Amino acid sequence: DAGVIQSPRHEVTEMGQEVTLRCKPISGHNSLFWYRQTMMRGLELLIYFNNNVPIDDSGMPEDRFSAKMPNASFSTLKIQPSEPRDSAVYFCASSLDRRETQYFGPGTRLLVL
Amino acid sequence: GEDVEQSLFLSVREGDSSVINCTYTDSSSTYLYWYKQEPGAGLQLLTYIFSNMDMKQDQRLTVLLNKKDKHLSLRIADTQTGDSAIYFCAERATDSWGKLQFGAGTQVVVTP
Repeated sequence: DAGVIQSPRHEVTEMGQEVTLRCKPISGHNSLFWYRQTMMRGLELLIYFNNNVPIDDSGMPEDRFSAKMPNASFSTLKIQPSEPRDSAVYFCASSLDRRETQYFGPGTRLLVL
Repeated sequence: GEDVEQSLFLSVREGDSSVINCTYTDSSSTYLYWYKQEPGAGLQLLTYIFSNMDMKQDQRLTVLLNKKDKHLSLRIADTQTGDSAIYFCAERATDSWGKLQFGAGTQVVVTP
């Protein structure tokens, strides 16, 4: 299996621009997670989907952030408008079920100037 | 709320054993995990232990769990330069849908 796939791997954008991060979970996994990693706050869970339905979005920082999962093999995390404080590494992870082991993608390194 | 704590840094000589410590607060946690993050990469699952176990060994890795003290440790035998990475401890809470609570990570540097 190819593992969790994320794109792009690196993104540099200017403040105010829209950013879309993409994730393809491991085939057959029905739970998907978006995390953000920063030096200051460590690893934070942003949102969790189960069977394509958002279950827990309490970690989403503010309305500028939105996430969708239109089907079992694709999810997006969108930031609009982006701000410099959004600069971080964004990870997607998937698991067979919500209580099973999570497998992480390689991350998207976002820099907002 | 839950809080997982780890020491931030560990330096170890190549060939020695490394011990990374972690404390957690949810006494009813079911699973506890160790993940490894190499520079520029995602988190890689190393091993996990179920809460009804005291020890788990997997090749060079030994996980010890002290439920009374809520203390988890990861021992790496014969540490190699390739073991240089950040190691995250995580607990799976039982009072939620199974959310993982991660520690801040321990940076392990292996010196020749």
